[in-house]
Amino acid sequence: GNSVTQMEGPVTLSEEAFLTINCTYTATGYPSLFWYVQYPGEGLQLLLKATKADDKGSNKGFEATYRKETTSFHLEKGSVQVSDSAVYFCALSDPSQGAQKLVFGQGTRLTINP
Amino acid sequence: SAVISQKPSRDICQRGTSLTIQCQVDSQVTMMFWYRQQPGQSLTLIATANQGSEATYESGFVIDKFPISRPNLTFSTLTVSNMSPEDSSIYLCSVDDVARGTQYFGPGTRLLVL
Repeated sequence: GNSVTQMEGPVTLSEEAFLTINCTYTATGYPSLFWYVQYPGEGLQLLLKATKADDKGSNKGFEATYRKETTSFHLEKGSVQVSDSAVYFCALSDPSQGAQKLVFGQGTRLTINP
Repeated sequence: SAVISQKPSRDICQRGTSLTIQCQVDSQVTMMFWYRQQPGQSLTLIATANQGSEATYESGFVIDKFPISRPNLTFSTLTVSNMSPEDSSIYLCSVDDVARGTQYFGPGTRLLVL
């Protein structure tokens, strides 16, 4: 079945550091890929997405490129801020499975220190 | 994007009781989803709810424990029945934005079972 694997956390960085959170996936079809963010005490918010190979999703300074050859969708940001502290979830949906079911990775907790 | 609200936002319940969680969206949607996020864990899909038909449950979840209603295109409820401490989780509903190929999430209901 479909699955998503994220780098283990927690990740702690200093402000203005470069961020990479690795995400790889396994899918039987041609999935869409997503990054969601969960700020403390809140629900999930869509951060960015990509629907086909070589697409780049971007939002709020975050980027991720859909790499079919490596089955990856790594999240990057050039200069993180304290306000980026949150839990980040990589997810996929595979239309070949019918409904738009989302399969989530385990989440990566990010803490940014001033 | 759709605006989704959930009630209650949090609750503390005694074991053996049941709690019904409401999910309201500000536009008509075909598919709604219910997820569970156990403490420190990722999200797991409980079921998919389409208006006018019975919900479709994922492996490991049954209707007797998690009955779902979907009376119209803007509303759904999830009941957590005969609760035990293991049901302590965040329960989130989401809606499928077919045009954007994206799901949007409600703020979640934080449930603690004593």
